[in-house]
Amino acid sequence: ETGVTQSPTHLIKTRGQQVTLRCSSQSGHNTVSWYQQALGQGPQFIFQYYREEENGRGNFPPRFSGLQFPNYSSELNVNALELDDSALYLCASSLGLTSYNEQFFGPGTRLTVL
Amino acid sequence: AQKVTQAQTEISVVEKEDVTLDCVYETRDTTYYLFWYKQPPSGELVFLIRRNSFDEQNEISGRYSWNFQKSTSSFNFTITASQVVDSAVYFCALSEAASGGSYIPTFGRGTSLIVHP
Repeated sequence: ETGVTQSPTHLIKTRGQQVTLRCSSQSGHNTVSWYQQALGQGPQFIFQYYREEENGRGNFPPRFSGLQFPNYSSELNVNALELDDSALYLCASSLGLTSYNEQFFGPGTRLTVL
Repeated sequence: AQKVTQAQTEISVVEKEDVTLDCVYETRDTTYYLFWYKQPPSGELVFLIRRNSFDEQNEISGRYSWNFQKSTSSFNFTITASQVVDSAVYFCALSEAASGGSYIPTFGRGTSLIVHP
């Protein structure tokens, strides 16, 4: 059974650019959640996808968008990058909605915006 | 006001000491879920426990135990006989209902536990 994987591991971008982060969920999991974790802070919920549809969104602007594919892998897209977007981006998968089920987290993508 | 407060930013203990990590939460919901996660230096969050608001039974799992008290809105985590491998950042999280039937998790800022040999 493969765990949650994320790519790339590290990424450096400049202000105003766009970025796409990828996540492969654990086998059999149909729910993917994305989190932003700034240095020294707890993860902040961005949004969740359940069976290819967005199901819950945190307090993030529309320039943060996502997709979930039929194989339940997912992408996080961030447009018009700002310096404050520098953070560790975590993806988590679960079978069913997060409130009821254990989430399995990936190792994260470290994004640096210069 | 923070929904999940972990007042202890950092705790330093010597191996074999017992240590309790505090978590206080705030919610108006009657149905909610509480979690503890461990984040070792590698960065990957590891699920430790989930509790729903209707289950106030304390739980013990090996050296780990959890004390859930609705009366004080607390969900504290105790590690007995700590080991160096317990060194990590520990997060408490609250999951509440949002519009559309989804649940939105809120994490605390975490407590960094350092266990010295």
